Amino acid sequence: QLQLQESGPGLVKPSETLSLTCTVSGGSISSSSYYWGWIRQPPGKGLEWIGSIYYSGSTYYNPSLKSRVTISVDTSKNQFSLKLSSVTAADTAVYYCANGPDAFDIWGQGTMVTVSS
Amino acid sequence: QPVLTQPTSLSASPGASARFTCTLRSGINVGTYRIYWYQQKPGSLPRYLLRYKSDSDKQQGSGVPSRFSGSKDASTNAGLLLISGLQSEDEADYYCAIWYSSTWVFGGGTKLTVL
Repeated sequence: QLQLQESGPGLVKPSETLSLTCTVSGGSISSSSYYWGWIRQPPGKGLEWIGSIYYSGSTYYNPSLKSRVTISVDTSKNQFSLKLSSVTAADTAVYYCANGPDAFDIWGQGTMVTVSS
Repeated sequence: QPVLTQPTSLSASPGASARFTCTLRSGINVGTYRIYWYQQKPGSLPRYLLRYKSDSDKQQGSGVPSRFSGSKDASTNAGLLLISGLQSEDEADYYCAIWYSSTWVFGGGTKLTVL
């Protein structure tokens, strides 16, 4: 059974870069069956897709975040990562990693990231 | 105008049915898209429920009961999530999503209260 687990700092200063990692267990991140994504949820608000990376290496980003986002895969560690630059308080949210062959079938538990000085 | 619009809230009684709507922006034809539905209970992570494009192109999420089903209303350009035999445990936020223009778009979510 595939499992995902997010990790990274829970507090990031304004203007700095938010970096999160999602560790995949129970399966290979190189599988051609899946894509890997990041979704966030500000406190008390709805879901916002950040971006996804496919087994082919193709990446797709939310246009509203595209200039600040990078998603990459490290096959040697069976992980994929998110970098979000120039963060502000508006980036405070629970960040989820997720995957699926189609829908987001499997979700990590989520990690709360607060942007504050 | 958002790509996907959902009512903010819905209430229904135990044992009754609930009908969630996910209206696509004018100019985006609901018939073209798979509509995905997610459930998020308070304090929990989202759960994939199902996707629906047509009766021949639909998928139930793993372990999702058959009382959750999808449909469409072409007249209102909306995707629908139907829950029959409501239970108190169905109280949650429900989000629709589509893959649109090479991006995932989520609706704002509908909060279901079972009372």
